[in-house]
Amino acid sequence: QKEVEQNSGPLSVPEGAIASLNCTYSDRGSQSFFWYRQYSGKSPELIMSIYSNGDKEDGRFTAQLNKASQYVSLLIRDSQPSDSATYLCAARGSSASKIIFGSGTRLSIRP
Amino acid sequence: GAGVSQSPSNKVTEKGKDVELRCDPISGHTALYWYRQSLGQGLEFLIYFQGNSAPDKSGLPSDRFSAERTGGSVSTLTIQRTQQEDSAVYLCASSLNGGSSYEQYFGPGTRLTVT
Repeated sequence: QKEVEQNSGPLSVPEGAIASLNCTYSDRGSQSFFWYRQYSGKSPELIMSIYSNGDKEDGRFTAQLNKASQYVSLLIRDSQPSDSATYLCAARGSSASKIIFGSGTRLSIRP
Repeated sequence: GAGVSQSPSNKVTEKGKDVELRCDPISGHTALYWYRQSLGQGLEFLIYFQGNSAPDKSGLPSDRFSAERTGGSVSTLTIQRTQQEDSAVYLCASSLNGGSSYEQYFGPGTRLTVT
């Protein structure tokens, strides 16, 4: 079992709809969680971090954390073609500050 | 302020040669990470430096790979006797690793091609 798991996609969402990206993690002691966006040929760019159970909103993005279910999600409202990218979920494990990345979900927003 | 910088941006080398990749982290960031990303793949963790602590080298794929971080700032990743399977983008990231902030910020990467 991978430490951080994501569906590889591609996830295709119509423009203007809500895109929902999901991630599960195996280390129950993980404390910090991150979502990164990576455009093709570019390096990952931090979108959001979340540390507490519940929702955290930033503009069109909402991160959701459920530690009991070991589940993190990212919602993108009013999806735009520019949101088409690979989204990486990451978790900081309990034992060290090393960040573990999932393999990413490819998101495609169709006009 | 300045972000993470990496050099060179591209490197083409012949099989068997040694290469050095450089990373300049964000000023004040105590943690520095190296990752490798092959085409269409996820991030592969290589090595992690935190302040003056011994680095976490658990991700280095072979003893041909080594890294150092001088003065708690600049880091160099060295690959000896390069092989074609070493071709990838090498990404460096830094983070503050203080309080609740473990957010990593990535450099633009070095694309290594071994011919």
